[in-house]
Amino acid sequence: DAKTTQPNSMESNEEEPVHLPCNHSTISGTDYIHWYRQLPSQGPEYVIHGLTSNVNNRMASLAIAEDRKSSTLILHRATLRDAAVYYCILRDRSGGGADGLTFGKGTHLIIQP
Amino acid sequence: NAGVTQTPKFQVLKTGQSMTLQCAQDMNHEYMSWYRQDPGMGLRLIHYSVGAGITDQGEVPNGYNVSRSTTEDFPLRLLSAAPSQTSVYFCASSYSSADNYGYTFGSGTRLTVV
Repeated sequence: DAKTTQPNSMESNEEEPVHLPCNHSTISGTDYIHWYRQLPSQGPEYVIHGLTSNVNNRMASLAIAEDRKSSTLILHRATLRDAAVYYCILRDRSGGGADGLTFGKGTHLIIQP
Repeated sequence: NAGVTQTPKFQVLKTGQSMTLQCAQDMNHEYMSWYRQDPGMGLRLIHYSVGAGITDQGEVPNGYNVSRSTTEDFPLRLLSAAPSQTSVYFCASSYSSADNYGYTFGSGTRLTVV
């Protein structure tokens, strides 16, 4: 399976934008890029996913590099509630998706008031 | 909407005891799965199901059993609990196992085996 690389931790200030990077240099042409986050003592929460084009939803935006070797999750205006571990995950289509999500260690996002 | 409901939230077992962790979803999702999360580690897949009557093993299936008799429910059974099974367990569901659908996770069951 293609792997992802994320910084261990990042710090940002409340009400400012946050850019969370993810490198996936061995991504295959049919891998989707998924982002999840896990708030303290909770289960993971789906954030967003994309294939080639940039994506927006009510929670965040996903910017995908033209060569797809990297992506950036953008939180437009961070709040204290956004403090969580953020996981960048590639979905391997060759397994039909039934092999689930492969979680790495993610990025621990700290939001300062 | 309740989403994915897991019970119990906390459980302490003695070594050798058996128990069932319950998972139910009300979103008519075909795909359901169980993960465990150990301290400082990412989630690891235990078992999954792509529909009622169909189950398969994930990355760490030993010591666990599952069944899927209905679309809504996907219980996880610990046959003979061991201290190595101390972990937080998460159930997740998705409309489909296809890679372009997001998963909905439950809030977890924190299990301690003494």
